[in-house]
Amino acid sequence: AQTVTQSQPEMSVQEAETVTLSCTYDTSESDYYLFWYKQPPSRQMILVIRQEAYKQQNATENRFSVNFQKAAKSFSLKISDSQLGDAAMYFCAYSLMNYGGSQGNLIFGKGTKLSVKP
Amino acid sequence: DSGVTQTPKHLITATGQRVTLRCSPRSGDLSVYWYQQSLDQGLQFLIQYYNGEERAKGNILERFSAQQFPDLHSELNLSSLELGDSALYFCASSYSPDRAPQETQYFGPGTRLLVL
Repeated sequence: AQTVTQSQPEMSVQEAETVTLSCTYDTSESDYYLFWYKQPPSRQMILVIRQEAYKQQNATENRFSVNFQKAAKSFSLKISDSQLGDAAMYFCAYSLMNYGGSQGNLIFGKGTKLSVKP
Repeated sequence: DSGVTQTPKHLITATGQRVTLRCSPRSGDLSVYWYQQSLDQGLQFLIQYYNGEERAKGNILERFSAQQFPDLHSELNLSSLELGDSALYFCASSYSPDRAPQETQYFGPGTRLLVL
């Protein structure tokens, strides 16, 4: 069974600094996706970034980038120029790459609570 | 706004009761997923529907059931409620074309259920 592990329950970063959140996963599949979702105090789940396992290039979205190490089954999130609005719970998630409505549920880690200090 | 809507936003009920949570997916999305977020269990997948058919089940209790209707909205029914069922219930939807990989799941705002 696939599992996702986030080993940092809490992290803190100074505003404008850079922080990296860690995630490891376990799977025997070769085609899958990895995601980072953000959950602010409003509890809304917001997609931050997505990585396809078959892509060697690391995904980036503005200030957010990932370091995807497929062999090591590692998927970390780097937030650059941290802003107060980045304070939230961050969840790493995995799903199989599925087609036509076959099983594609997300498997989540337990989350990392990020605090941003002004 | 993700385009996924869930009603109600909050629900307070008593043990032993039955409730129905409703989800409307984004326009064009055929797949609907239900997730439960609780303090002790984290975010857990419950069940997936695709174009009206059940496609996958996760850690869903027998007291819980779901369905997806022809207009693609979905309902999650929770019965014989227990204190431990108090949680935030999310619905997510995605576009799942036949010949291309599923696209990203987008989440609704959730229904916060409190069982007293």
